[in-house]
Amino acid sequence: DGGITQSPKYLFRKEGQNVTLSCEQNLNHDAMYWYRQDPGQGLRLIYYSQIVNDFQKGDIAEGYSVSREKKESFPLTVTSAQKNPTAFYLCASSSAGGGETQYFGPGTRLLVL
Amino acid sequence: GQQVMQIPQYQHVQEGEDFTTYCNSSTTLSNIQWYKQRPGGHPVFLIQLVKSGEVKKQKRLTFQFGEAKKNSSLHITATQTTDVGTYFCADHNQFYFGTGTSLTVIP
Repeated sequence: DGGITQSPKYLFRKEGQNVTLSCEQNLNHDAMYWYRQDPGQGLRLIYYSQIVNDFQKGDIAEGYSVSREKKESFPLTVTSAQKNPTAFYLCASSSAGGGETQYFGPGTRLLVL
Repeated sequence: GQQVMQIPQYQHVQEGEDFTTYCNSSTTLSNIQWYKQRPGGHPVFLIQLVKSGEVKKQKRLTFQFGEAKKNSSLHITATQTTDVGTYFCADHNQFYFGTGTSLTVIP
């Protein structure tokens, strides 16, 4: 589970503010993913990217945006349109999209002030 | 759409007792993965099952994939406090994780 870093570990957001969560991997993986985990819940897919400059919406993409300008990086922006952003955000990567083992970063816990 | 359900949602066991979690899909899976997430941590890959009826073991953990490839189970023999955490099954072809089973082991 090494090779993927997420920052910051904790992030506080004010009402109406956009915040960006960082995810970097040095595993040379093509595919990257963002999941949201609420307390006592499973993981829900926000966005995924199978190749640079391409990404797809997951089940709960509303209020979020991503970019994939570099293979190593897949930042997630939580916009003010996301009305309930408090959650644990997990980034993952895999060597290819679809059916491949995913390796997770340590996560970012986002709290709303 | 794709549905992967896990039961039970929570399980408390005395240390030394066995534990099983079940994963059931509404559709046939090409493969299934299992992950463990320690409290406060992130999911860590345990194993992948691909073949119908496949059984794999990792020390005290036994993983099974159903004959119809619609269900899977994880069985832990003689639980230890280090087994505490949430166990997830996943269908990566759909980028879908099950709801998870949270295991508490009482010393």
